[in-house]
Formats: sequence, C-alpha cells, structure tokens
Amino acid sequence: EVQLVETGGGLVQPGRSLKLSCVASGFTFNNYWMSWTRQAPGKGLEWVASITNSGGSTYYPDSVKGRFTISRDNAQNTLYLQMNSLRSEDTATYYCTRGSYVFAYWGQGTLVTVSS
Amino acid sequence: DTVLTQSPALAVSLGQRVTISCRASKSVSTYMHWYQQKSGQQPKLLIYSASNLESGVPSRFSGSGSGTDFTLTIDPVEADDIANYYCQQSNELPLTFGSGTKLEIK
Repeated sequence: EVQLVETGGGLVQPGRSLKLSCVASGFTFNNYWMSWTRQAPGKGLEWVASITNSGGSTYYPDSVKGRFTISRDNAQNTLYLQMNSLRSEDTATYYCTRGSYVFAYWGQGTLVTVSS
Repeated sequence: DTVLTQSPALAVSLGQRVTISCRASKSVSTYMHWYQQKSGQQPKLLIYSASNLESGVPSRFSGSGSGTDFTLTIDPVEADDIANYYCQQSNELPLTFGSGTKLEIK
C-alpha cells in the first residue's frame, strides 16, 4: 500500500524558514517523480513544486520560485520542501504527492501557518 | 498560465445524473484530470487524461472533453459523492487547478 506521511508543519513568523518532510513507503521511491501541492484554508489547490526521480531537475510556479526548494533523499525514501522567506499567503496545508503532472497518491497533509 | 474555470456549486437529487464542467483558457489537449475532495480529507484522483477512470473508482464516474471544454459526469449520484471536485491541467507548467465545484444534494 502506498503511504505518504508529511511532517514539519507548524506556526512560523513571516520571513522565517521551515522545512517539510514526507516519508514514502509501499512503492519504489526512486522510480517516481514527486511533488508538493498546497491548499490555503477554505481555498482551492495550488501546485508548489515537482522533482524528477533522480532529483536532477526541479520545477516551481512563480509564486514560490526562489523561496522554496524541493529535494529528495532516495536512500531514505524521503521528500523535502525547504521554505524560506515565508509570507502570510503561504499559510496552507501542504500535501506530498506522487507523480509529475497527475497526482494519484496524496499524503494527509501538514498545516503551515505563517503569522506573527 | 492556463486558467481553469469551474462553476462554484451544483445541487443535484440523489439518483440523478450530474455533469461538472471545466473550461480552460487555452487548449490543453486531453491533459485534464479530475479530483474529488471530501471534507477534511486529501484529494483523490478520479479521472486522468480527460477520460480514463483511475483504478478503484466506481464506474458511475466518467470524464470527457478535449481542447478547452471538459466534463466530469456522475451517474447516478450517491450520498457519498458529496464533495468538492477539482479539475487540473498538465499541458503546460505551471500546473494549474480549477477553483473547484461543490456538489450539494437538493
């Protein structure tokens, strides 16, 4: 059974940093692209970042480019999202998702709240 | 960016057929996917590449369309289908989602 478990969310002040982790199990992690998608409270879904299976290439929308960094450790079956210079508009539940352009598996999400 | 437009809400009677629409601001070929999100849960993939049913999804769900106009059909609607439904395009980066359609029961 595919499982994706996110951790690392919490309350953080504007301008500060936070790093999310996602531990994957139930599939061969290094065979798949991985992504992060977020959802602000009561709002819709927004793609945040994707990374190739080797980790050699990464992709971001303009809203987070230069502030967020997606990475992975294939030996540890773990996906990361380093978030710097956080803003109030980054407040959201962050989901770890398996896939490059379509997301068949989602974690339960971790809530990030950016507030002073 | 490709903007996806969905109606905010739809009300339907149990046992009836409902179609949820998604219009893209430019052609996405058939690179359109549909997700269901129930209250307090993560999204679930229903349909990929416009018309392909994801494994384990009931055959009551179907998708159609190409280019800029797409539909998700549920026939017949069951009480368990009450949720928000999102379309998502993967024709170009950035990947974008529609704002969602809330399905309600009359």
